[in-house]
Amino acid sequence: ILNVEQSPQSLHVQEGDSTNFTCSFPSSNFYALHWYRWETAKSPEALFVMTLNGDEKKKGRISATLNTKEGYSYLYIKGSQPEDSATYLCAFGAWGTNAGKSTFGDGTTLTVKP
Amino acid sequence: DSGVTQTPKHLITATGQRVTLRCSPRSGDLSVYWYQQSLDQGLQFLIHYYNGEERAKGNILERFSAQQFPDLHSELNLSSLELGDSALYFCASSVDSSGGPQETQYFGPGTRLLVL
Repeated sequence: ILNVEQSPQSLHVQEGDSTNFTCSFPSSNFYALHWYRWETAKSPEALFVMTLNGDEKKKGRISATLNTKEGYSYLYIKGSQPEDSATYLCAFGAWGTNAGKSTFGDGTTLTVKP
Repeated sequence: DSGVTQTPKHLITATGQRVTLRCSPRSGDLSVYWYQQSLDQGLQFLIHYYNGEERAKGNILERFSAQQFPDLHSELNLSSLELGDSALYFCASSVDSSGGPQETQYFGPGTRLLVL
C-alpha cells in the first residue's frame, strides 16, 4: 500500500493571504505527481502533472514544486481569493503502474474568508 | 465542465438491489476509470477500461462489475447492495495513449448512491 499524505488537513486563511500545503509520497519508484482542485459539489479538476525532480508548474496564482528525491510536493497559492476555497488533492503515480492506480491523498481543504 | 457525463446524479435504493451507473467519456478519450469515495475516505480506484478492454483493477468487490461499450461509454454495475456501498462514484476519462501514471484524468460530476 502506497502512503500519500497531505498536510495540513484543513486551512483557513483571510482573503489576500498566501498559503501553501504539502503532499508527501514514497520517494522510490516515482513516476508522476498530480494536483487536483475539488470544489464542493463539483468534480476534481486537474491542476498540474509533474514528472521530473525540480519541476515547477504555475497556473495564475497557483504554483507547485516537486522534490522526488525526498518525496514531497508543495502547492502555493498567492493572494488567496474566496473562489480558491476547495479541497486540493494530490495523486502519486508509481513507475510501471496504471494511471488509475495513482494513489490519492486525503486532500487539504482550504477556506478563504473574505 | 470536464466533458465527462455521468448518470444518474443521485440514486436511492435498498439493500440487496442492483443498480447501473453510466459514464460517457470526453470526446476522443479512450479510457474510462471508476472511483468510489465513501464517507471519510479518499478516492478509491475501482477499475480502468481502455477501448473496450479491462486494463487494471483496483479495490473492486466481486459484487461490482463494469464494461466499456463500442461507443466508449461505460457502465458500472453494483449488485447485492449493502449499506456500506453508499458512496459517491466518479468516473474519469483520459486519452490514454500510453496508460501510464502521467495521464491526466478528467472527472465526471459523480453519482451519489444511497443504500437504505
